[in-house]
Amino acid sequence: EIVMTQSPATLSVSPGERATLSCRASQSVSFNLAWYQQKPGQAPRLLIYGASNRATGVPARFSGSGSGTEFTLTISSLQSEDFALYYCHQYNDWPSDTFGGGTKVEIK
Amino acid sequence: EVQLLESGGGLVQPGGSLRLSCAASGFTFSSYPMNWIRQAPGKGLEWVSGLSGSGGSTYYTDSVKGRFTISRDNSKNTVYLQMDSLRDEDTALYYCVKRSSGYAFNWFDAWGQGTLVTVSS
Repeated sequence: EIVMTQSPATLSVSPGERATLSCRASQSVSFNLAWYQQKPGQAPRLLIYGASNRATGVPARFSGSGSGTEFTLTISSLQSEDFALYYCHQYNDWPSDTFGGGTKVEIK
Repeated sequence: EVQLLESGGGLVQPGGSLRLSCAASGFTFSSYPMNWIRQAPGKGLEWVSGLSGSGGSTYYTDSVKGRFTISRDNSKNTVYLQMDSLRDEDTALYYCVKRSSGYAFNWFDAWGQGTLVTVSS
């Protein structure tokens, strides 16, 4: 099983600041990495696929980068609606997909 | 617009059974693999089971193999998860999730709102 490790577990950021979230895979997943946003009481929402491709309707302030074992999700200027949980997901080992433990982005 | 509507969750005793259903609309259902992903209270996401568009190929995480059965009825645009021999650790919100394509290396591009399964005596 490919283990996905996200850091930090909690990120405290002021509105308007940049947030950088990390995700590491225990072995290479190439570019087969997605990011999801989850708000309280809601289902996850796809943000990024293929490590760096924004899903339909996702604002340009969200960007993804990386390949192999190291990935980053960057939110360039945090808006109030961006405070949420974020999960990375590897689908290189499809159908045995695995998720990271999540990073909570909270208001500083 | 893709819609996925789960039902069938509830409270069940350890060792009991439940059958989850997910009614899909807004896309060509038979063309896409479907999955169940769960989230225990206050925890992260765990892929549980998936099957191909035809239903001919099924997949399970190790902890549910032999206890859960996934299936689909493409004439009804519905996917099911039969859950037997339920354990306390199966307690979670179960999401019905669509894959982005029927090919390898595809992500989850649509999620239902989930149905809660609570296993407790």
